[in-house]
Order: sequence, then structure tokens, then C-alpha cells
Amino acid sequence: GAVVSQHPSWVICKSGTSVKIECRSLDFQATTMFWYRQFPKQSLMLMATSNEGSKATYEQGVEKDKFLINHASLTLSTLTVTSAHPEDSSFYICSAPGASSGYGYTFGSGTRLTVV
Amino acid sequence: GEDVEQSLFLSVREGDSSVINCTYTDSSSTYLYWYKQEPGAGLQLLTYIFSNMDMKQDQRLTVLLNKKDKHLSLRIADTQTGDSAIYFCAGSGSSNTGKLIFGQGTTLQVKP
Repeated sequence: GAVVSQHPSWVICKSGTSVKIECRSLDFQATTMFWYRQFPKQSLMLMATSNEGSKATYEQGVEKDKFLINHASLTLSTLTVTSAHPEDSSFYICSAPGASSGYGYTFGSGTRLTVV
Repeated sequence: GEDVEQSLFLSVREGDSSVINCTYTDSSSTYLYWYKQEPGAGLQLLTYIFSNMDMKQDQRLTVLLNKKDKHLSLRIADTQTGDSAIYFCAGSGSSNTGKLIFGQGTTLQVKP
């Protein structure tokens, strides 16, 4: 079935540094990638939608300069958390419409970001 | 916009049936989904139902959709300890952007 590979699984970084999270569609082309953020014991909050070859669409309240999204190819979308702060610590998950998963969406395994 | 709500916690004994409920506000959702999330992991699609269906059964899973009441439920028969996880319902909403609107998630605890 459709697989979205997300890396890293977890990362610890110092305040002020930047962290890049990658999501790759392994056996299908993902023209669209959704990026979510999930706080402990809470639901998924959509941050932005990336489309291959065009600018990402950010949800209201999400700082586009802080959360840089790039969708450089049909199989790769990246989220870069710039100048990270402890409040950016969260679980980040990507999702793409999965070609072989029927009408569902295929999710990456998530990235646990801890900013110290 | 679409609003999706779920009860937050459900505890059952192994072998019992579990019923997780969800209500939504936007009746224009074409599809409604159930996802499972285990600790520290991404979301796994369990099943989905078209908005023009009332019921869908897939092995131990039964999805019921009451369009009049905008109520969706997931029944897990013969619940096992491996079913312990957070379950999210999600709707596609009226937007054609493909965005999913998630409920808060229901934590299912299965006691041996």
C-alpha cells in the first residue's frame, strides 16, 4: 500500500536552531502534503498544505516564516522549524492522499520535536 | 466550518464490544473516516464510509452513520488489548482542498 516515510522520528534541538522534517512518498506521487501538529492528548491541528511546485497554504494563526514548507518534488515535502523555541515542542505529522489506500489519507509516522 | 466532536475516554474489558461515538456539523462531508493512533506513532486508517451509506462492516469493525443526527460510530467487536489506542473520527468537510477535520480523539483502554 501507499507509504509515507517521515524522518526523523524524534529530534532534540537547542533553542534558536532550526530543524528540518522530511516526508517522502515511497510508492506513489504526492502532489499534496498536509502538515499537522499534535499536542499531548489532543487532536491534530492542520498547520499547512503543501503542493508540489507552488507555495504552501498556511492555516490561520500559523507563522509561515517560522514553519517553512517546501514541496520540491512529487515525492518529497519538508517542514523546517526555524529558530525553534520550547513552545514549538510537539508531535508533527504529515499526510498525503494515498493512491493505493483508497479514499483514505496516508500518514507519516510522526516526528517528536523537543526544544531545550 | 466543520466541527467534529468525540467523547474523550472509553474503558472496556477484553472480549467486550467497544462503541466509539462521533458527531459532526457539516453534512457535506463526502467521506467520514476512522483512524487509530498508537502511542508515539502516526495515524492508521481503519475504515471509511461514504456519506450515502448507513453502515459498513469490515471484519471486527462496524461503522454506523446517521446522517439525520450527524452521528458516526465505530463498533469494535471482541475488543483485544491490542486495540488500546486513540481513535479519531475525521470528516472531509465541504472544502474541496482535501483537508480533513479531526475530532479530539477517544482514548480506548482495554482491560484484560
